[in-house]
Amino acid sequence: DAGVIQSPRHEVTEMGQEVTLRCKPISGHNSLFWYRQTMMRGLELLIYFNNNVPIDDSGMPEDRFSAKMPNASFSTLKIQPSEPRDSAVYFCASSPQGWYGYTFGSGTRLTVV
Amino acid sequence: ILNVEQSPQSLHVQEGDSTNFTCSFPSSNFYALHWYRWETAKSPEALFVMTLNGDEKKKGRISATLNTKEGYSYLYIKGSQPEDSATYLCAFGGNDMRFGAGTRLTVKP
Repeated sequence: DAGVIQSPRHEVTEMGQEVTLRCKPISGHNSLFWYRQTMMRGLELLIYFNNNVPIDDSGMPEDRFSAKMPNASFSTLKIQPSEPRDSAVYFCASSPQGWYGYTFGSGTRLTVV
Repeated sequence: ILNVEQSPQSLHVQEGDSTNFTCSFPSSNFYALHWYRWETAKSPEALFVMTLNGDEKKKGRISATLNTKEGYSYLYIKGSQPEDSATYLCAFGGNDMRFGAGTRLTVKP
């Protein structure tokens, strides 16, 4: 298995533009998580899905952020409009049913200028 | 909000030293505790998943213990090597794991 695949690896965009981050979880994993890593706040949970259904989005910073999981093999995290303070590394992780360790993707480093 | 605290924030040791660090978490409504190793420019990698009070896990020179009643877990590294240099994260919760800030370990040759 190729692991959790995120794209793009790096994204540089101008303030106000829409940004879409993509994630392909490991096949058979039914939980998917989006995390954001910053120097100030460390690794913080944004949203997670079980069986493609959003369960807890309380970590999403504000309405500019949205996430979807249209099927078991794909999820997106969208920021519209983007702001410089959104600059961070965004990680996607997946996990099988139950309390198993997560497998993280390589992350997307977002820079908003 | 579940508060996961890790200490120390950073640690510098010499090659060959043994070391340990702490993860503290709320002792009520325990589900699971995870330890991850996170090397610079890579993604976090799962080390241990612990679910039972008194659990002890071991992988090579690294081991971990769990006390759910008092809300802490220790990670031990025996005979540290430079390649052990990384940030060690613990995460607590059920389906929504909350991460601590990590302990950044540097092992000097």
